[in-house]
Amino acid sequence: DVKVTQSSRYLVKRTGEKVFLECVQDMDHENMFWYRQDPGLGLRLIYFSYDVKMKEKGDIPEGYSVSREKKERFSLILESASTNQTSMYLCASSSLNGVNTGELFFGEGSRLTVL
Amino acid sequence: DAKTTQPPSMDCAEGRAANLPCNHSTISGNEYVYWYRQIHSQGPQYIIHGLKNNETNEMASLIITEDRKSSTLILPHATLRDTAVYYCIVRVVTESYKLSFGAGTTVTVRA
Repeated sequence: DVKVTQSSRYLVKRTGEKVFLECVQDMDHENMFWYRQDPGLGLRLIYFSYDVKMKEKGDIPEGYSVSREKKERFSLILESASTNQTSMYLCASSSLNGVNTGELFFGEGSRLTVL
Repeated sequence: DAKTTQPPSMDCAEGRAANLPCNHSTISGNEYVYWYRQIHSQGPQYIIHGLKNNETNEMASLIITEDRKSSTLILPHATLRDTAVYYCIVRVVTESYKLSFGAGTTVTVRA
């Protein structure tokens, strides 16, 4: 089975802190994604990457950056956390064909609270 | 993107089929219907997708009406582990990764 592992299930950070959310997948997938999920707003795409060192902005990239130095790892970075970044963050991966079929595999999520 | 309308909730008896409707009356010719589900405190899980033909996999069946304005996801033998929020999404295939979930249907399977 595909496994997408997010480093932390729950984090509490203070405003202004730099936050790293790590995601690792074990299926050699080319594509990786970061979403956030908020009540009433649904799931929104922050960034995605289709190859090592490649990244593309999603719908809400402001306040975030990403890093993909290795194929299996995709990191989401909050340079200076703010309270409006309190959310559930979800990482996903897919094969090249998976992008066209919609078959994304998600991690269990990281619930971030910024105080 | 075409919008979708789903009932907010439904109950289903364990072992029975669960039929989840979705309306997408403004769907375009190149848009697919995708279904995902999300079990509480977990990430979303892909279920199935289709364009105009009915589709079946190990998890579910997808029935799309001839005019493509609505579809039904069928869980053939619901189990307690199928309790989740089910999302119906319409996207063009090249942007299928740009998921945008609405409220979905909360399905509760009862013993």
